[in-house]
Formats: sequence, structure tokens, C-alpha cells
Amino acid sequence: EDQVTQSPEALRLQEGESSSLNCSYTVSGLRGLFWYRQDPGKGPEFLFTLYSAGEEKEKERLKATLTKKESFLHITAPKPEDSATYLCAVSAGTASKLTFGTGTRLQVTL
Amino acid sequence: DAEITQSPRHKITETGRQVTLACHQTWNHNNMFWYRQDLGHGLRLIHYSYGVQDTNKGEVSDGYSVSRSNTEDLPLTLESAASSQTSVYFCASNSGDTNYGYTFGSGTRLTVV
Repeated sequence: EDQVTQSPEALRLQEGESSSLNCSYTVSGLRGLFWYRQDPGKGPEFLFTLYSAGEEKEKERLKATLTKKESFLHITAPKPEDSATYLCAVSAGTASKLTFGTGTRLQVTL
Repeated sequence: DAEITQSPRHKITETGRQVTLACHQTWNHNNMFWYRQDLGHGLRLIHYSYGVQDTNKGEVSDGYSVSRSNTEDLPLTLESAASSQTSVYFCASNSGDTNYGYTFGSGTRLTVV
């Protein structure tokens, strides 16, 4: 059974204070690891897909990395508008369906 | 612009009633999914479809059903609503190209009283 565990559950940063969110996973035949951002009252918004260990992707202040057991979402010099819940998910084998972690709730203050 | 629309946004229903939540996408995606989101559990897969006339059970399918008669729509039916089905429901779709992830709707908040 595919499993995804995210840590920490919640993180409070000051503006400009860089940090990382962790996503550890157990899956048989990783097809892709996905990062999403979710704002309150809205659906998840796609950020990245990573496919193999060593891969990195960047978007503005966010950089996602992947190893064989975990992924990190690095947030560099965050701003208050980066406050959201960040979700990690995996798909396995030939299936398109995703298994999600419970998310990290990020708050960035001035 | 293509979009994925869920309706209603909010619904309150009574225990035992049948409820249908609508999901309509104009992306022409073959793959469609229904998830529920609860505190402490994250997003859990209810049902999914890889094309017209195809439906599959997810990890929390008991008490729910779906049908896929066209590419655009995947309605989710709660056969006899229970308080345990109070949740936020999200519909999602994708083309099968994982480079673009899934596109999610804005969700339906369902309360069963």
C-alpha cells in the first residue's frame, strides 16, 4: 500500500526565513511525486512533478527535490503570500490515481 | 478557458437522503477523480474513471457511487447520506500526462445532519 508522510504538520516562518518541508513516501514503482499548494476554501493547485531521484524543479521561491525515499520542498526567502497548505502526493505503476499526505500548513509572517 | 466546475459549493442534507454532487470539466480529460478531504486524513480517493463507461473504486468508496456517460461529467452519488460523510469533496481531472498534475475543482462542502 502506498504511503505518504509529511512533516512538520505546521510551520511558522518570518518573512525571509528560509526552510524546508519534508515528504517521505513508500510506493511500489514510483510513477511521479507531486507537490500542490492549497489555499483555504480552494482546491489544490499543481506545483511540480518529480520522477526520479536527483531531480530538482524550481518555481519562484520554491524548489522541490527528490531522493529514493523522500522529497523536500525548499522555500527561499518566503513572503506572506506563500502562506498555504502544501500537499505531497505519489502515483505508482501504471495508475494515474494519487495518494496524498496530510499536508504541511505554512504561515509566513511579517 | 478550460475549467473544472463543482456544484453546489455548499450543501446541507439529512441523514438517509440521496445526494448527488456534480463535476463538469471542459479540459477534454479522460481521467476524472473524486476525493474527500477531512482534518487529519488529507485527501482520500473515493472513485475514479479513466474514460466513458469506466469507473473504479478508491480507498473509501463504501456508500458512494459514480457513473461516466460522457467525457465531461463524473457525478458522485451518496446513496443514503450518513453523518460520517460530512466532508469537503473535490473533483479532479487530468489527461494522463503527469507533467501537468491534476486540475482540481473548488470543492463542495457537504454537511449531513
